[in-house]
Amino acid sequence: GAVVSQHPSRVICKSGTSVKIECRSLDFQATTMFWYRQFPKQSLMLMATSNEGSKATYEQGVEKDKFLINHASLTLSTLTVTSAHPEDSSFYICSASTQWGNQPQHFGDGTRLSIL
Amino acid sequence: GQNIDQPTEMTATEGAIVQINCTYQTSGFNGLFWYQQHAGEAPTFLSYNVLDGLEEKGRFSSFLSRSKGYSYLLLKELQMKDSASYLCAAHSNYQLIWGAGTKLIIKP
Repeated sequence: GAVVSQHPSRVICKSGTSVKIECRSLDFQATTMFWYRQFPKQSLMLMATSNEGSKATYEQGVEKDKFLINHASLTLSTLTVTSAHPEDSSFYICSASTQWGNQPQHFGDGTRLSIL
Repeated sequence: GQNIDQPTEMTATEGAIVQINCTYQTSGFNGLFWYQQHAGEAPTFLSYNVLDGLEEKGRFSSFLSRSKGYSYLLLKELQMKDSASYLCAAHSNYQLIWGAGTKLIIKP
């Protein structure tokens, strides 16, 4: 089945640090990748949608300059949380789809980010 | 507007059957996804319904009624490992509208 690898699984760092999270589709070409954030006991919140080779589309309220998304190839997308602060602590999950529309999103295992 | 509703929490007994409902109001509806999410883990895909009717996959089945804006996930022969949150998501105009998830608690 479709496999998405997300790395790292857990990050603990000091306030002000920038953190990069990688999302790779291992056995399929992901034309579209999605980045979500999930706070404890809450549902998934879509942050942005990215298509390979083009700029990401951010959801309302998500700061583009703070959450930098790069989707340089059909198998890799990265999310960089710049100058992270404690309020950015959350569970970040990526997902990928082969053909956005009628194909399911396959999720990475998520990255638990803790900013001290 | 667009919204999607599902119960916050349900409790069921091991070995029993449980039905988790999901109602939605969207424009440009294409289909309805169901995902399972264990605590602290990412969601995993369960099913995708496009046409009306019931689709069965082993112990799990999913139903869709487009005219009623309604779907349900049916879990049979419940096992303790089925304790998780179940998320429905409506695919609408190239976006997914996510429900808040139903936390399913299985008791022995």
